[in-house]
Amino acid sequence: TQLLEQSPQFLSIQEGENLTVYCNSSSVFSSLQWYRQEPGEGPVLLVTVVTGGEVKKLKRLTFQFGDARKDSSLHITAAQPGDTGLYLCAGVVSGTYKYIFGTGTRLKVLA
Amino acid sequence: GAVVSQHPSWVICKSGTSVKIECRSLDFQATTMFWYRQFPKQSLMLMATSNEGSKATYEQGVEKDKFLINHASLTLSTLTVTSAHPEDSSFYICSARAKLASYEQYFGPGTRLTVT
Repeated sequence: TQLLEQSPQFLSIQEGENLTVYCNSSSVFSSLQWYRQEPGEGPVLLVTVVTGGEVKKLKRLTFQFGDARKDSSLHITAAQPGDTGLYLCAGVVSGTYKYIFGTGTRLKVLA
Repeated sequence: GAVVSQHPSWVICKSGTSVKIECRSLDFQATTMFWYRQFPKQSLMLMATSNEGSKATYEQGVEKDKFLINHASLTLSTLTVTSAHPEDSSFYICSARAKLASYEQYFGPGTRLTVT
């Protein structure tokens, strides 16, 4: 069974601080997606990473895919209250288009 | 672009009844749609993969006779929860794959089902 473990599970920080969320697996994924979900809503796609070692930036968010395509990280610089939400990584199961979702990281940024 | 809608956004039904949830891709054709369920404070769990014109593929542990999926067109998939029980209460989310060669899934806003 493929599993994606995210850490930390919960994170509460002050506005302006930096943070990193990790997404780890023992399995290799074809690609990996990061989503953010607000309560009572569906996940919203932030980024897709495909190539091992790939780094993508989205404003204050930096995403990295591990060289072996088994892990990924999300780094947020100068967090803002608007960054509050549930962050989910999702790996694509090799040979399919199915996602395996990570366990989730619940972020709260305090003003 | 790549907007997915769900209807209804929330529904309350009595135990033993059936409820249908619709998932539509509004501005693209989706050859593949996926159905997930999410319990409070948990991540999403894939229930089934739905391809237009063919039978859905269910994940291990998901009862196909209880969760009926119909993908009648390239823009519509439905999930029917039959003989609902309180333990079926959950947040049901669908997603659609927009392009044939793309891994990206676009998610609907979810449907909150409460079975009393």
